[in-house]
Amino acid sequence: DTGVSQDPRHKITKRGQNVTFRCDPISEHNRLYWYRQTLGQGPEFLTYFQNEAQLEKSRLLSDRFSAERPKGSFSTLEIQRTEQGDSAMYLCASSSADRVFSPLHFGNGTRLTVT
Amino acid sequence: GNSVTQMEGPVTLSEEAFLTINCTYTATGYPSLFWYVQYPGEGLQLLLKATKADDKGSNKGFEATYRKETTSFHLEKGSVQVSDSAVYFCAHNTGNQFYFGTGTSLTVIP
Repeated sequence: DTGVSQDPRHKITKRGQNVTFRCDPISEHNRLYWYRQTLGQGPEFLTYFQNEAQLEKSRLLSDRFSAERPKGSFSTLEIQRTEQGDSAMYLCASSSADRVFSPLHFGNGTRLTVT
Repeated sequence: GNSVTQMEGPVTLSEEAFLTINCTYTATGYPSLFWYVQYPGEGLQLLLKATKADDKGSNKGFEATYRKETTSFHLEKGSVQVSDSAVYFCAHNTGNQFYFGTGTSLTVIP
């Protein structure tokens, strides 16, 4: 168990560019979540997958955001036409749907700065 | 609805002081309750959890008891250390969703 890993750790981009982040969950976990965290706030839910199916998306999620988990393992989160308001820490977490009361296990996040 | 309200920080304590961080929740259904800790530049780490009323979660000297009658899950530690300086998040899990508080920053000074 190597934990949840996210790549890159930091991303600086200019406004209007597209960015893509990757998350590799704990291998036996079938649920994968994306959260956004801004300074002084708790994680804000964006979307989650069970296996390869995207089961829920936040109503707050702009259509510039898209996430995939094509083979039910790693996931990518893409932000198109980035805006300065997208600057935040993007956290990925995984859990097991097969274990009752399974907590979330978080990666170290990708910090996005849009200039 | 579903939400978590936790004590606003920042909290500054001297080493060996007693810590309490208050957390209350609203939930549809019967949630599991969690405390997570976040160190600078890192993701959230699970600190402890409780899954039913009157359960006590504990880890690294921290404790929290699931109080259904008051919908609370307050975090306590009898004697804090400098290494406990971090941001603490209370959370609950209802269905497939997790709901987080805004976090309480703790600084412990020697």
